[in-house]
Amino acid sequence: QQQVRQSPQSLTVWEGETAILNCSYEDSTFNYFPWYQQFPGEGPALLISIRSVSDKKEDGRFTIFFNKREKKLSLHITDSQPGDSATYFCAASESNNRIFFGDGTQLVVKP
Amino acid sequence: EAAVTQSPRNKVAVTGGKVTLSCNQTNNHNNMYWYRQDTGHGLRLIHYSYGAGSTEKGDIPDGYKASRPSQENFSLILELATPSQTSVYFCASGDPGGVYAEQFFGPGTRLTVL
Repeated sequence: QQQVRQSPQSLTVWEGETAILNCSYEDSTFNYFPWYQQFPGEGPALLISIRSVSDKKEDGRFTIFFNKREKKLSLHITDSQPGDSATYFCAASESNNRIFFGDGTQLVVKP
Repeated sequence: EAAVTQSPRNKVAVTGGKVTLSCNQTNNHNNMYWYRQDTGHGLRLIHYSYGAGSTEKGDIPDGYKASRPSQENFSLILELATPSQTSVYFCASGDPGGVYAEQFFGPGTRLTVL
């Protein structure tokens, strides 16, 4: 059973638009939710993360919205730039145990 | 300077051959992980380790062995490589000492088994 699900699988937006990436999880004991960004030919790197005690986390143009009751998250990228084109992985973890990754959303930002 | 390095970066192997993928980290992290990444499957955990001398099975360990001879090094071994093991392999390290464990990834190894 897949612990973390992401949608859409791929997303194309125009430069300046807001991209919305969705994520849901199964295990209610998960309490840490990192988002990783991966550029072609590179390994994933942590972009932004949220703990389950919060419902929102902002870092510049990137914002996570978290709904604990529905076990859903979303990553909003405002004023999207071509340099944001990458694959984004939603992940979930319980404290310092292993991290479960979703299958990723491939984002393309057109200039 | 890169904290997690992998070698080789690209590898072509023959079916039935032995393949060893190596990972080195300078983060002084206790935990290390091996993932494979295939289109449509995201990152799948093969083996992981809590420290030197320890290896644990992840979600897809069949056909793979792991070795952690030191804090810095973690190897993934394919004793009898098969074409289904063609993939991109990522090593990562993480610090369980933190409250929430971030993982730091290497650049990946692209393996092709013919």
